Order: sequence, then structure tokens, then C-alpha cells
Amino acid sequence: RKEVEQDPGPFNVPEGATVAFNCTYSNSASQSFFWYRQDCRKEPKLLMSVYSSGNEDGRFTAQLNRASQYISLLIRDSKLSDSATYLCVVNHSGGYQKVTFGTGTKLQVIP
Amino acid sequence: NAGVTQTPKFRVLKTGQSMTLLCAQDMNHEYMYWYRQDPGMGLRLIHYSVGEGTTAKGEVPDGYNVSRLKKQNFLLGLESAAPSQTSVYFCASSYPGLAVYEQYFGPGTRLTVT
Repeated sequence: RKEVEQDPGPFNVPEGATVAFNCTYSNSASQSFFWYRQDCRKEPKLLMSVYSSGNEDGRFTAQLNRASQYISLLIRDSKLSDSATYLCVVNHSGGYQKVTFGTGTKLQVIP
Repeated sequence: NAGVTQTPKFRVLKTGQSMTLLCAQDMNHEYMYWYRQDPGMGLRLIHYSVGEGTTAKGEVPDGYNVSRLKKQNFLLGLESAAPSQTSVYFCASSYPGLAVYEQYFGPGTRLTVT
């Protein structure tokens, strides 16, 4: 089983729709969780951290479920500019070198 | 503030040739990283550095060497390129402490080895 797994998509959604992505991780000792965004042929950029209590940033909500070992990203009122690949990132047991990137979920928002 | 820059942006090598990729950051970050990104594989850590003069191996270090002679620069070398090293290479940097997980990436170098 991969350490971090994501549905590659693509998720094709109309503008204004709500879309959710999940990411599962295999190491129950994982400590920190993040979502990065990567535009086509560009570098990844941090979108948001994922806290145990869940957190929200505008139209984006991230949640962590430690019991089931997954994190989620919810995007409300999708915009064309949200089209990108969303990378799940997990830190397993402390230390910068233990950060694992998922392969990403591609989102395409359609007019 | 340029952030993280990488040179070159594109390169085509023949098998057996060598080259050096340069990463530079102007944010005074302590930590720097080299990743490769391949379709379906995600970003994989090649080497990293926690400060000037120090380097360490990541997940996929074979066939690569690195140097961090100056805090702002991190060089990735390929001594004898192989087709399996065809990839997109990203450099990243971060602060120590909790913020280490917010990594700032360069624009990438697209390398093809024929």
C-alpha cells in the first residue's frame, strides 16, 4: 500500500459546484498534513495546513480523520481559477525528510 | 524578492553526459531540497540540506550528488546521465521549526536524457 494515496481524477465540475477530495495515509504515526496546489507545468504551492480540529480558508475547508487515516479538502463555489492538481502532503514521524507527497488529484472547473 | 530560482529551465542530455542544476533562494532559508517529479509517482526527495556545508540523502539519491557551499545556493549534479533520470526537477527551501513544512518551490527544470 502506498504511504499516501489520492484519486488522480480528473474531477470535472461546473462553475459554482462544491467538490471534495480525499487522501488516505498508511502510517498511523503521521503527524502533520497539508494540501498543496500545482498548476499545469508549474511548481507546487502550499494551499493550507490541515489541523486536527479542521480549518477553513475562504471557500476551502480541510479536515483530518485520524481514526480512518484520511484528510479531505472541500472547495465550495468552484471558480475556473481553481482548476489545478491538488497534492496531499503528509509528515510521517517528524523531520523534514519524512514528508511524503501524494500523486495529486486533478480538478477541472468547467464554464 | 525572486524567491527560489532554478537554472536551466530546460535541458536535453545524451546518456553519459554530466550536468549541474543550480538552485538559488533569496529568503535566507536554512533548509533546501531537491525533488524529482515523474508521472504517477509524486514528488520524491533526492537530497536535502539543513544548512551551509551540510547535505544528506533523501529517498532516491542514487546517480545524483549535491553541494551547499553557500547558504543561498544548492547544486544538484548528474555525473553520468541515464534515461531513467528524465524528469522534472524541483528545488525547494524552507525555514526550520514548524514552518519547515511550508516549502517554497522553484519553477522546475525539465530534463530529458536520450
